[in-house]
Amino acid sequence: TQLLEQSPQFLSIQEGENLTVYCNSSSVFSSLQWYRQEPGEGPVLLVTVVTGGEVKKLKRLTFQFGDARKDSSLHITAAQPGDTGLYLCEGRETSYDKVIFGPGTSLSVIP
Amino acid sequence: DAGVTQSPTHLIKTRGQQVTLRCSPKSGHDTVSWYQQALGQGPQFIFQYYEEEERQRGNFPDRFSGHQFPNYSSELNVNALLLGDSALYLCASSRGSGVKLFFGSGTQLSVL
Repeated sequence: TQLLEQSPQFLSIQEGENLTVYCNSSSVFSSLQWYRQEPGEGPVLLVTVVTGGEVKKLKRLTFQFGDARKDSSLHITAAQPGDTGLYLCEGRETSYDKVIFGPGTSLSVIP
Repeated sequence: DAGVTQSPTHLIKTRGQQVTLRCSPKSGHDTVSWYQQALGQGPQFIFQYYEEEERQRGNFPDRFSGHQFPNYSSELNVNALLLGDSALYLCASSRGSGVKLFFGSGTQLSVL
């Protein structure tokens, strides 16, 4: 059974600091997605990565897919209060697999 | 272009009752998935509907059932509610087997 782990579980930082959150599994993924969820709202897709070693940038956010396609990281540069939220990773072994989310990293950026 | 819409936004029920939640997918999407999200946790997959049939199902009891209509909208039904069913219920739509999910804002269900 596919299992996704995320670390850290909670993160509280000052505005302007950098941070990295991780998503790990023993499974090989054909694709991995990152979402951000704000309180009372549904998750919003940030990025999809499909190729081992792939790096994608979205403004101050940098996403990396591991070479073996079993893990991923999200790095935020100069965090802002608007980055506060729950960051979720979701991976699939094939596009027809059941969707499984990690437990999330709850990020709080303090002004 | 309307995104995914869910109704109602909040619902309070008592143990043993039944509830129906509704979802309209994003325009152009034909696949609807339902998720249960407990406070502070990631969404748990309940089931997915495509072409009016349940295509996949997560580890949820038969008390959870669903339906997809010809216009791709969907309902989630939960019978014999338990206190542990209290959660945010999310609907997501996608195009076919596409990996990009678009979520609604959810229905917050409280079971007393």
